[in-house]
Amino acid sequence: GQQLNQSPQSMFIQEGEDVSMNCTSSSIFNTWLWYKQDPGEGPVLLIALYKAGELTSNGRLTAQFGITRKDSFLNISASIPSDVGIYFCAGHRWTGANNLFFGTGTRLTVIP
Amino acid sequence: GAVVSQHPSWVICKSGTSVKIECRSLDFQATTMFWYRQFPKQSLMLMATSNEGSKATYEQGVEKDKFLINHASLTLSTLTVTSAHPEDSSFYICSAREQGQINEKLFFGSGTQLSVL
Repeated sequence: GQQLNQSPQSMFIQEGEDVSMNCTSSSIFNTWLWYKQDPGEGPVLLIALYKAGELTSNGRLTAQFGITRKDSFLNISASIPSDVGIYFCAGHRWTGANNLFFGTGTRLTVIP
Repeated sequence: GAVVSQHPSWVICKSGTSVKIECRSLDFQATTMFWYRQFPKQSLMLMATSNEGSKATYEQGVEKDKFLINHASLTLSTLTVTSAHPEDSSFYICSAREQGQINEKLFFGSGTQLSVL
């Protein structure tokens, strides 16, 4: 299946710093989603974006749906230790049975 | 939010045995459930789409006779790894879409770590 390219692959940051990660695709998506996965757990939905150009916040998290509909970014402000985990973007379109495609993931480590 | 329960959380089995993993939607009905496999440090890869009352749809390269899926009710789908081998060791995750919703929001189980000795 199609895979979305996510960068960076991993990040090591100091507590309190801001974080930015992005996701790109060669294809257009109708919806972009961002998930967080803790070790040994399933992904948890953080933010869903439905319109090109849309900017949405959820607490310290902000995500944007790219104008081209082929990319999205996620920002985390003032990081805290519990932000540690793997962040996945996912793109959704209405064609075909497999209509949710996951990014390659960004592994975030926050140093206290 | 909706809760998806996956059981067991981890399982260790001998090579050649079969393992069953359950995925339940606790507070909603799910006509469609999805099964993913995730290898260490990799993304989720869709294995199959499970539809209540009908045969599952498998992704290319996934052996349907090895990974048996049953979705007999609106709240339960099971994945059975038959004649498991060490290369089947992986993290298996299910997700569910609420009945009547054709939206993109999937609710994920907490995953099952399978280790085949």
